[in-house]
Amino acid sequence: DAKTTQPNSMESNEEEPVHLPCNHSTISGTDYIHWYRQLPSQGPEYVIHGLTSNVNNRMASLAIAEDRKSSTLILHRATLRDAAVYYCIPRQAGTALIFGKGTTLSVSS
Amino acid sequence: SQTIHQWPATLVQPVGSPLSLECTVEGTSNPNLYWYRQAAGRGLQLLFYSVGIGQISSEVPQNLSASRPQDRQFILSSKKLLLSDSGFYLCACGSSGANVLTFGAGSRLTVL
Repeated sequence: DAKTTQPNSMESNEEEPVHLPCNHSTISGTDYIHWYRQLPSQGPEYVIHGLTSNVNNRMASLAIAEDRKSSTLILHRATLRDAAVYYCIPRQAGTALIFGKGTTLSVSS
Repeated sequence: SQTIHQWPATLVQPVGSPLSLECTVEGTSNPNLYWYRQAAGRGLQLLFYSVGIGQISSEVPQNLSASRPQDRQFILSSKKLLLSDSGFYLCACGSSGANVLTFGAGSRLTVL
């Protein structure tokens, strides 16, 4: 499994953009880059994933470096509900998610 | 879309008692199923995964076992609970070729 490095914690203000970085320098060519988040006392929920190209969905955007050794999850306008632990996980389709420690995002009003 | 049901939602059990947590899935056939545990203040640990009926792979040797008696049913069991079995147990589901896993709401176990 590819190792990932994420900041332990980040802070943001409501309505501001948030950029959550992740380093995955040992990622294999067939690993997708997944992002999940876990709100307090809940199970993880899918946020976004990508392979090589940048991706957008209703929740967030994912920017993937050209060499695929890093990626950034972008929340365009943080809300209080976005306060959660965010996990960056390289993964091949159909396999289990192996969670690291993630980044705890705090959002202030 | 897939829906995962887990029960019970919470339970308190004495040390040495048995355990059975159940997970059922709707909206998909032949899913890959997973059990994770999150101890208090700790990360999510993969315990078991299953690619089909009766097929169970264990990721971590421990006091727990898993079974898959039906295609969309996954059960986590223990014959004798330990204090260290306390935690938040999550069932997850994904298709074999899918990129997205769906998680249930979890079962919170406290062993006293």
